[in-house]
Amino acid sequence: DAGVTQSPTHLIKTRGQHVTLRCSPISGHKSVSWYQQVLGQGPQFIFQYYEKEERGRGNFPDRFSARQFPNYSSELNVNALLLGDSALYLCASSLWDNNQPQHFGDGTRLSIL
Amino acid sequence: SQQGEEDPQALSIQEGENATMNCSYKTSINNLQWYRQNSGRGLVHLILIRSNEREKHSGRLRVTLDTSKKSSSLLITASRAADTASYFCATVFQGTDKLIFGTGTRLQVFP
Repeated sequence: DAGVTQSPTHLIKTRGQHVTLRCSPISGHKSVSWYQQVLGQGPQFIFQYYEKEERGRGNFPDRFSARQFPNYSSELNVNALLLGDSALYLCASSLWDNNQPQHFGDGTRLSIL
Repeated sequence: SQQGEEDPQALSIQEGENATMNCSYKTSINNLQWYRQNSGRGLVHLILIRSNEREKHSGRLRVTLDTSKKSSSLLITASRAADTASYFCATVFQGTDKLIFGTGTRLQVFP
């Protein structure tokens, strides 16, 4: 089976722009979570979705939003980009929730100029 | 803030030596998970230990959990150069769905 896939792998944007990141979970996984990882730090939890419903939200501003589609794929949207949004954005999937092993994609490297 | 704090922040050893990393957390947990991350890549799940377990093994990995001290350790025995990576602990607070990662330990294994 294919692992978690994320697109694009790299992205360069300028301040104030909007970005959409995409994630396809492992087949059969219904839970998708998003994380932001700044260089040298651990991943920070942004959102978790299960069966198209938001199950958890981290301490991120409303500029960050996400959704999950009927095929369990997911999008993360970030509006009004700031320099501080530069990071590696990771998507993880699991069967049900975060109490199970998470399967991560290789992330999208977002650079804000 | 991060739930887990890990030490050491960085560890350098020779191939064949053992590596021990520690993780401390602040509140009651459902389970504790350990992940590895190679530079520029996604995280790979290593071991999940439940709050009612004290020790778990997987190949050269041994994880312990002490809920009274709110701490866990990851031991990698007979390390290899390929073990060079960052290692993170992650926990889910009881009553929440958030998986919170620690600050990580950067392990360098020299051939």
